Amino acid sequence: DSGVTQTPKHLITATGQRVTLRCSPRSGDLSVYWYQQSLDQGLQFLIHYYNGEERAKGNILERFSAQQFPDLHSELNLSSLELGDSALYFCASSTTGYNEQFFGPGTRLTVL
Amino acid sequence: AQSVAQPEDQVNVAEGNPLTVKCTYSVSGNPYLFWYVQYPNRGLQFLLKYITGDNLVKGSYGFEAEFNKSQTSFHLKKPSALVSDSALYFCAVRDWMGTDKLIFGTGTRLQVFP
Repeated sequence: DSGVTQTPKHLITATGQRVTLRCSPRSGDLSVYWYQQSLDQGLQFLIHYYNGEERAKGNILERFSAQQFPDLHSELNLSSLELGDSALYFCASSTTGYNEQFFGPGTRLTVL
Repeated sequence: AQSVAQPEDQVNVAEGNPLTVKCTYSVSGNPYLFWYVQYPNRGLQFLLKYITGDNLVKGSYGFEAEFNKSQTSFHLKKPSALVSDSALYFCAVRDWMGTDKLIFGTGTRLQVFP
C-alpha cells in the first residue's frame, strides 16, 4: 500500500459526459501528479500540483482540468468524454521533485 | 529531450535463474532514474532509484539496478527470479525541464516460469 488513495476504482460512463476523479496523497506529500495509462500511448504525464498551485502541464487536453485543494487532495475533471479517453488514470505524490513518486491504485475509466 | 528506452517487450526466465530487464536513457544533465513494477489491476510500485553515488542500487523485493554512465544504461537485475516477480516493469527518468514529471519507458513484461 503506497498510502495514496484514489476514488472511484472503476468508472463507466457515456460519451459527452463529465466525470471527476479524486486523489488523496500520502500524508505530508505536497506534490500531486496525474498520469494517464493507455495501450497506445503508454504512461503519459498530465499535470503536476504543488501545495495547491499548478506547477506543470503535460499532454493534458483542454477538456481536462485539475485542482489541488487546501487539504492537498486533488481532483481531475474530464469533460465532453470521448471513446479515446478510456484509460487508467493514476495519481502519484511525492515530497519533492527529486524523490520517488508513490502511485495510487488508479481509476479505470471506460467511456461507452 | 529526456527519454528512456526499454528494448524488450517481454523477458522470459525460469524460476531460480537470474533476470535482467534492460533500460537505456537519454538525458541532458544528471539522470535521476527509477524502476517501477505494475501487477495486474494495480498501481505502480516503486522499486528503486538512482540519484547519485554507488552505481549498484539495491531496492525492494531483492531487486537491484546497475547504473552505467558510459553505456547510458540502468538495467534492473535480480539474482534469483520468483514466479511472483511476473509483472510489467517500467523504467523512468525525472524530467529536468521544469516539470518534475517522470518520463516512462514502454514497459517490459517479465514472465517467470516454474
